[in-house]
Amino acid sequence: EPEVTQTPSHQVTQMGQEVILRCVPISNHLYFYWYRQILGQKVEFLVSFYNNEISEKSEIFDDQFSVERPDGSNFTLKIRSTKLEDSAMYFCASRGGLDETQYFGPGTRLLVL
Amino acid sequence: AQSVAQPEDQVNVAEGNPLTVKCTYSVSGNPYLFWYVQYPNRGLQFLLKYITGDNLVKGSYGFEAEFNKSQTSFHLKKPSALVSDSALYFCAVRRNTGFQKLVFGTGTRLLVSP
Repeated sequence: EPEVTQTPSHQVTQMGQEVILRCVPISNHLYFYWYRQILGQKVEFLVSFYNNEISEKSEIFDDQFSVERPDGSNFTLKIRSTKLEDSAMYFCASRGGLDETQYFGPGTRLLVL
Repeated sequence: AQSVAQPEDQVNVAEGNPLTVKCTYSVSGNPYLFWYVQYPNRGLQFLLKYITGDNLVKGSYGFEAEFNKSQTSFHLKKPSALVSDSALYFCAVRRNTGFQKLVFGTGTRLLVSP
């Protein structure tokens, strides 16, 4: 069964460093999303992406964040200058054209020191 | 604005007994409703959804949920719990038009004892 994959599973970085989180959505899906879950808190929407552009973003998704679909298969989230409060589990999700279901990857646990 | 409430942080049930995990929502217009399950160190796995039609929807692993528009609820149920059902359960909602983001509840930990 097709699934969303994410790399790395864990990443530790120093405050102020740039990180890139990678996702491979399900093939033929059209809509892509990033969410995050700070430890012990709810899952929060960051950004949605369709037709090679951002379709919606939350107030969390400020100028330090960017997304890209560089090659038609990968979907990346970049944080330019990480802060301590960026420490969280980051989930990628994708959705097909007709199916309303978003399918989630296993997540990347980011720790900013 | 959309919101989801999961009033119970934890639900405890004995194996073989029926289980219910509660969810209420707030959204303008007609909702799309979802349940996801999260096992330790795993991502969010889709269980079931309500889009339209029959208010009782059936999903994976014997779970079902009932959409109640008047009570704005979408409780998750299973007739006979298994120890392996122990996990964190999230209810989520989105509007049926326009923006597609899911808004999640805070999650309910289900503990099924042998």
